[in-house]
Amino acid sequence: GAGVSQSPSNKVTEKGKDVELRCDPISGHTALYWYRQRLGQGLEFLIYFQGNSAPDKSGLPSDRFSAERTGESVSTLTIQRTQQEDSAVYLCASSLSRLAGGQGETQYFGPGTRLLVL
Amino acid sequence: AQSVTQLGSHVSVSEGALVLLRCNYSSSVPPYLFWYVQYPNQGLQLLLKYTTGATLVKGINGFEAEFKKSETSFHLTKPSAHMSDAAEYFCAVSMEYGNKLVFGAGTILRVKS
Repeated sequence: GAGVSQSPSNKVTEKGKDVELRCDPISGHTALYWYRQRLGQGLEFLIYFQGNSAPDKSGLPSDRFSAERTGESVSTLTIQRTQQEDSAVYLCASSLSRLAGGQGETQYFGPGTRLLVL
Repeated sequence: AQSVTQLGSHVSVSEGALVLLRCNYSSSVPPYLFWYVQYPNQGLQLLLKYTTGATLVKGINGFEAEFKKSETSFHLTKPSAHMSDAAEYFCAVSMEYGNKLVFGAGTILRVKS
């Protein structure tokens, strides 16, 4: 596709349920990022995938959060036993990362998944 | 740890007036700097970025920003505001391997007619 896509666009769930969010990066982009945007706040980094390297999970807020990516394709972010504080917009981004370390590469963002935990 | 401060969560200007959105970062080494814009109900869009070279960076829609190392700032400006500029603007920095971005809290720009 032309851009980063995410699904679902909106998700309402009950506290304690598990949710799975999906991200389709731009074709050919080796790097993929997940961020969280809480109401009235900036984006928080969650996790980063670069090719076949071990992911950088340093931003995951708790062990209830996990993410997977197969090769350079789709990624899924899973939140287990959701809590009300997990309510946020979850944004996915991808970049080419041609440069060593990927510094300075433009990240292209998807429209986000708006998660509401009741 | 890196941090980004955007002064003013809300900025209001008149149409045709100068737009100035402030961004300061904390870093001991020059980072990579970005401004993103988020229009209502849309995703983030890159306005401009500084990596190396010229410190005055021009972006889309008439915006520009200047990297000032001595002031650790990367303020965003536009000479004349348009109604269509109303949006939320985010400053971000990256200096670590992998390019993970650290964002400011955002500034909502309102343009009055």
